[in-house]
Amino acid sequence: DIQMTQSPSSLSASVGDRVTITCQASQDISNFLNWYQQKPGKAPKLLIYDASNLETGVPSRFSGSGSGTDFTFTISSLQPADIATYYCQQYDNFPITFGQGTRLEIK
Amino acid sequence: EVQLVESGGGLVQPGGSLRLSCAASGFTFSSSAMSWVRQAPGKGLEWVSSVSGGSGSTYYAASVKGRFTISRENSKNTLWLQLNSLRVEDTAVYYCAKELRVFLAAKGSNWFDPWGQGTLVTVSS
Repeated sequence: DIQMTQSPSSLSASVGDRVTITCQASQDISNFLNWYQQKPGKAPKLLIYDASNLETGVPSRFSGSGSGTDFTFTISSLQPADIATYYCQQYDNFPITFGQGTRLEIK
Repeated sequence: EVQLVESGGGLVQPGGSLRLSCAASGFTFSSSAMSWVRQAPGKGLEWVSSVSGGSGSTYYAASVKGRFTISRENSKNTLWLQLNSLRVEDTAVYYCAKELRVFLAAKGSNWFDPWGQGTLVTVSS
């Protein structure tokens, strides 16, 4: 199984800050990686697909990069609406696996 | 608008069974693989199972293989997950999700979008 190591597990930042989350795969997954946002009590929402492509309608302050085993998710200027938990997901091989999640809070 | 609505969750005793449903609308159901993902209370996301658009192939997480069965009826735009031999650790919100691909063996872009609102399964005596 491909293990996805996501860090940090939690993060506190101020409005306007640049926020970065990393996800490391246990083996090469090319760019077969997505990022999801989950707000409390809600279903996950797709933000970034294929490591670096912004889903339609998602604000441009969100971005993703990386390939192979190392990936980065960035919010360029944190907004109050961004408070959520973020997950990476690999779909290169079954079983599909998710990172442990990063809980983002406003400082 | 693409929409997925789950139902069938509830309270069940350990060893019991439950059948979850996911009603799909707003897209050609047979043209999308479908998946179930669960989330235990306060925990992260765990992929459970996927089925191809034509039901020709299925995959399961090791934690549920042999106990859960995924199926679909394309004429009814409905996805199911049969949960048997339930354990306390199966307690979770179960989400269904639409995949981009049709065939599970297909290489290339894939994502889960959208997701349903989830249905809660509680396994407790």
